[in-house]
Amino acid sequence: DIVMTQTPPSLPVTLGQPASISCRSSQSLVHSNGNTYLSWLQQRPGQPPRLLIYKISNRFSGVPDRFSGSGAGTDFTLQISRVEAEDVGIYYCMQATQSPTFGQGTKLEIK
Amino acid sequence: QITLKESGPTLVKPTQTLTLTCTFSGFSLSTSGVGVAWIRQPPGKALEWLTVIYWNGDKRYSPSLRNRLTVTKGTFEDQVVLTLTNMDPVDTATYFCGHRRESYDFSGVEVWGQGTTVTVSS
Repeated sequence: DIVMTQTPPSLPVTLGQPASISCRSSQSLVHSNGNTYLSWLQQRPGQPPRLLIYKISNRFSGVPDRFSGSGAGTDFTLQISRVEAEDVGIYYCMQATQSPTFGQGTKLEIK
Repeated sequence: QITLKESGPTLVKPTQTLTLTCTFSGFSLSTSGVGVAWIRQPPGKALEWLTVIYWNGDKRYSPSLRNRLTVTKGTFEDQVVLTLTNMDPVDTATYFCGHRRESYDFSGVEVWGQGTTVTVSS
């Protein structure tokens, strides 16, 4: 299995400030077709996960443009340009290049 | 609009078999590239991929749970059933089903159900 490692585990952020979460995979996530199937999920308190970003940098339907993704190979980043109160929750990276696996999560809280 | 909903017992005893049903709408499990996945989340812990069943009947299982898990299409076209045998307290978790899609432009879980919490206790 591909192991996904997220940092930091906890991220206190001031409202209106940017936030960044890193995700590293134990092996390259480049599929044989050339695509990289790395997604980011948001899980608000008491809610199921919600897809934010797919294929590294594509925002899913309805996701605000303050969320962006970047990276390649084994290193990926989720960025929030200006954190809002509704962004509180746990963020997971997920790879689906091979049998899917998830990172351990990053808990975003308001400072 | 795609929706999924998990249903089943909230409490099972150790050694019993858990059976959960995912009832979905807004998509067909006969469409190429589509699947229904099961993922679980122990209290306060991360997500764990369990299994997926695809439009063509293909099934994939988590290696660590392969000998205890079964996923099948349900009696009705809009249902998928998960069974997990020999339940243990460590299997206490919220179980989610999700709309899995695989294509050149996308591979992942697009939409998640609300989840159902299962506690294993005598």
